[in-house]
Amino acid sequence: AQSVSQHNHHVILSEAASLELGCNYSYGGTVNLFWYVQYPGQHLQLLLKYFSGDPLVKGIKGFEAEFIKSKFSFNLRKPSVQWSDTAEYFCAVNNLGTPLVFGKGTRLSVIA
Amino acid sequence: DGGITQSPKYLFRKEGQNVTLSCEQNLNHDAMYWYRQDPGQGLRLIYYSQIVNDFQKGDIAEGYSVSREKKESFPLTVTSAQKNPTAFYLCATLPDRGEKLFFGSGTQLSVL
Repeated sequence: AQSVSQHNHHVILSEAASLELGCNYSYGGTVNLFWYVQYPGQHLQLLLKYFSGDPLVKGIKGFEAEFIKSKFSFNLRKPSVQWSDTAEYFCAVNNLGTPLVFGKGTRLSVIA
Repeated sequence: DGGITQSPKYLFRKEGQNVTLSCEQNLNHDAMYWYRQDPGQGLRLIYYSQIVNDFQKGDIAEGYSVSREKKESFPLTVTSAQKNPTAFYLCATLPDRGEKLFFGSGTQLSVL
């Protein structure tokens, strides 16, 4: 069965620092990859997704992610974080026709 | 307004009691899912249904039951067999093309 690993449980960054959150999945084949964000007190929102094509995906709010098939990875990046990026970030993966499997999440705290 | 309605927003369960969480959608999506969110655990799949009158167990189905008698509705019952039911429960739907999950606003279940 598919599983998703997010390596960092809690990341603390200063404003303007660069961000990279790791995500690895266990089972290959044709995969759909997602990053979701949950701001404090709010619902899950889709940040970006990868289905096929260019492995570098751009999402909302300046986020991007790179799919590296050989490494089973889909890391999330942002060149310069803001205080408003404080949230919990979830990587999720599914294979064709199967439910979405989520990682345990990474909490990002951005300090001034 | 199109969307997913989960009710109630907050629910309290007494020991030995079964409780039912409601999930209704008017998006005409075939697939519906129940996830449980616990701090530090991400979202874990309880049950899912891809068509009416059919559903499958997810990773943590023990102590839960579902039904899918109508396309619009996918209620989740938390039975007395679920020994640790306190969590945030999210219902989600997926359109046929499967591009992204749509989430309800969730139900927080607590044990009295």
